[in-house]
Amino acid sequence: AQTVTQSQPEMSVQEAETVTLSCTYDTSENNYYLFWYKQPPSRQMILVIRQEAYKQQNATENRFSVNFQKAAKSFSLKISDSQLGDTAMYFCAFMKHGEYGGSQGNLIFGKGTKLSVKP
Amino acid sequence: DVKVTQSSRYLVKRTGEKVFLECVQDMDHENMFWYRQDPGLGLRLIYFSYDVKMKEKGDIPEGYSVSREKKERFSLILESASTNQTSMYLCASSLPGQEYEQYFGPGTRLTVT
Repeated sequence: AQTVTQSQPEMSVQEAETVTLSCTYDTSENNYYLFWYKQPPSRQMILVIRQEAYKQQNATENRFSVNFQKAAKSFSLKISDSQLGDTAMYFCAFMKHGEYGGSQGNLIFGKGTKLSVKP
Repeated sequence: DVKVTQSSRYLVKRTGEKVFLECVQDMDHENMFWYRQDPGLGLRLIYFSYDVKMKEKGDIPEGYSVSREKKERFSLILESASTNQTSMYLCASSLPGQEYEQYFGPGTRLTVT
């Protein structure tokens, strides 16, 4: 069974600074997806960034980037130039890759990290 | 943009009541999901459906059932609500083969007293 661990229940960062959220996972699969989801206070969960395990290049979306270390089963999220709107719960998640492409099975979520960006 | 809506943002029910949580999506997605979110536990999958009238159990289906009579609507049913079902319930949808890209609703915070 796959597990996802986020070891930082809460973090805070000053506006404009950089923060890194940690995530580790356990799986025997070789092909899979990893994700970071963001859930702002009282707002909907949205996908921040996605990484496919077979891709060596780390995914980047504007100020958000990941450090994917497959051998170490580590998938951290770096937020650069933090903004007040980045205040949210962040969830790391895992999903197996389907045999014929696409995905298979369910999203497995970590317990989340509550990030507060302070002015 | 995909829009996933849930019938209530806040709901208070009594122990033993039958509770219906409704979810509607407007992007013709085949897949729909129900999760519950609890502090310190993250999101856990209750049930999912990959087509009308089809359903699959997730990780924590006990005490819940679901109904999918139309493609756009997925209902979560608590047959006899209990206090340990007090939680945030999130609905999501996706295209088949793209279960990695789920679009979430705003959530329903259910309190069972």
